[in-house]
Amino acid sequence: GEDVEQSLFLSVREGDSSVINCTYTDSSSTYLYWYKQEPGAGLQLLTYIFSNMDMKQDQRLTVLLNKKDKHLSLRIADTQTGDSAIYFCAIPFTGGGNKLTFGTGTQLKVEL
Amino acid sequence: NAGVTQTPKFQVLKTGQSMTLQCAQDMNHNSMYWYRQDPGMGLRLIYYSASEGTTDKGEVPNGYNVSRLNKREFSLRLESAAPSQTSVYFCASARDGTYEQYFGPGTRLTVT
Repeated sequence: GEDVEQSLFLSVREGDSSVINCTYTDSSSTYLYWYKQEPGAGLQLLTYIFSNMDMKQDQRLTVLLNKKDKHLSLRIADTQTGDSAIYFCAIPFTGGGNKLTFGTGTQLKVEL
Repeated sequence: NAGVTQTPKFQVLKTGQSMTLQCAQDMNHNSMYWYRQDPGMGLRLIYYSASEGTTDKGEVPNGYNVSRLNKREFSLRLESAAPSQTSVYFCASARDGTYEQYFGPGTRLTVT
């Protein structure tokens, strides 16, 4: 299996950009995912990037992938209070089976 | 199209009691999963089912059993609950041919 690490907390002001980072130890050549969990809810698929891409932009979201350093990041532009949530990166499990390994999650707090 | 549903939403058990958490999906997915979420530890896989009739242990299977009753339903049983099993439990299913997982709303379990 692999280790997937994230910092636990991030606090930003409304309107600023947020950058959530994720490092992993191993990955197969496939998709890497970001999930969002709002308070009291399950995880929702937010976006993903294919492993042969360096960057993917989707409206206010930008995903950056550095395969050499095994580093994935999620940038949220013009962060809003509705973006307050826990964000998880998820990497396909390399030990077999159709499984994901989730990071520890980063709690994003957006302050006015 | 309800997606992934879980029952109950909340449960309080005394140490030694048993219970079954129910999960169903209406997306015709083959793969289904049970996770537990604890603060600072992300999501940890308890059990996984690649298809009807098959189940495999995940990272933290001790104290749990599962049943893949049919393609739609995947239940998680605690035979003798312990305080260490106090957690939020999530069921998920994956779109066939991908690693994309779709989550239920969770069951918040407290064992006293």
